[in-house]
Amino acid sequence: AAGVIQSPRHLIKEKRETATLKCYPIPRHDTVYWYQQGPGQDPQFLISFYEKMQSDKGSIPDRFSAQQFSDYHSELNMSSLELGDSALYFCASSLEWNNEQFFGPGTRLTVL
Amino acid sequence: DAKTTQPPSMDCAEGRAANLPCNHSTISGNEYVYWYRQIHSQGPQYIIHGLKNNETNEMASLIITEDRKSSTLILPHATLRDTAVYYCIVRPPTSNSGYALNFGKGTSLLVTP
Repeated sequence: AAGVIQSPRHLIKEKRETATLKCYPIPRHDTVYWYQQGPGQDPQFLISFYEKMQSDKGSIPDRFSAQQFSDYHSELNMSSLELGDSALYFCASSLEWNNEQFFGPGTRLTVL
Repeated sequence: DAKTTQPPSMDCAEGRAANLPCNHSTISGNEYVYWYRQIHSQGPQYIIHGLKNNETNEMASLIITEDRKSSTLILPHATLRDTAVYYCIVRPPTSNSGYALNFGKGTSLLVTP
């Protein structure tokens, strides 16, 4: 069965650079979630989209933005990167009528 | 969303049942209990969820007390691959926009040979 795809799987950036993470949900899933997991931390919700509209917002820094496109894939844009942004970033998708979330393998971002 | 409390860690021998408790004393009448797990650095994985009745699927069983203030996730025959952090999450029923998962501290389960 198709799973959530995230790219890239690993990303290394310098401080103050920008990064774009991509998420391709399971086919026909209409809701996408982004989570951040710092070293030794539990996953923290950042933002979600339903039918290409922002549906919920968590602890997402103002330096970050995200959107969901017409093909339902989503991108998380991160600017002015800081050392503290080094983390695993997970994307999850679900169907509106069934809130079981399916997670991707994550993107490991390292900021030097 | 209701707050949950779980023990930080537990051990279980391979082949034995693992019983993971969760307290959610402030749960509201329409809130579900969900369980997810995260195997080291992998994406979290859905296990099971329930409202009032006990639930069972191919992975686990969920026992919810009658007052709904606590629940227990049961892995009937734990294997080494069940070593993971297990999260108990309480959340409202689905909506048109979906609901984010509020991961608490979770229980780190170690299954030993």
